[in-house]
Amino acid sequence: QEQLAQSGGGVVQPGKSLRLSCAASGFIFSSYAMHWVRQTPGKEPEWVAVISYDGGIDHFADPAKGRFGISRDNSKSTVYLQMDSLRVEDTAVYYCAREGYPDAFDLWGQGTIVTVSS
Amino acid sequence: EIVLTQFPATLSLSPGDRATLSCRASQSVSTYLAWYQQKPGQAPRLLIYDASRRATGIPDRFSGNGSGTDFTLTVSSLAPEDFAVYYCQQRRKSFSFGPGTKVDI
Repeated sequence: QEQLAQSGGGVVQPGKSLRLSCAASGFIFSSYAMHWVRQTPGKEPEWVAVISYDGGIDHFADPAKGRFGISRDNSKSTVYLQMDSLRVEDTAVYYCAREGYPDAFDLWGQGTIVTVSS
Repeated sequence: EIVLTQFPATLSLSPGDRATLSCRASQSVSTYLAWYQQKPGQAPRLLIYDASRRATGIPDRFSGNGSGTDFTLTVSSLAPEDFAVYYCQQRRKSFSFGPGTKVDI
């Protein structure tokens, strides 16, 4: 069964850091680009970052550039989102997602809540 | 930046009704458009990619069409489990989602 299991998240003060993890199972992880998408209650999802299947290429949404990093360990079938210099406006549910079809996300993690508050 | 607009914001229908949801892009996205369904407390679920291709396991009552700037998602006969929020998403320039259409009873 194909699955993405997320961990990390929690409550953090503004300016601090947090790392999210997303462990894949049931499919060949190293064949797929992986994304992070976030969502605040009542709003549409917001794309955050992507990493290519081999980790060689990454791209970030403007709000994440310079503060967030994305990486993967294909030997562990895991993708990570490193979030530094967190802001109150980064508060959201964060999802990892697989790009299983061209340009679309066909498998999602269960989501993890990140709250940035003093 | 490509902005997606969805209408209507809310669609009030009954089981068995036909639902037609619209998504308009601020500039052409070719057919780089997907549709998702989301229920409360759940992650989005991919329904349609490439504007008109159904994802694996999606019932054939869901169909998508369009290209360029105007797209539609049609549910031919609403099942009780289809009442949810639907989002369109483009990949022509970066990735972005529309604000959603809520289909309620």
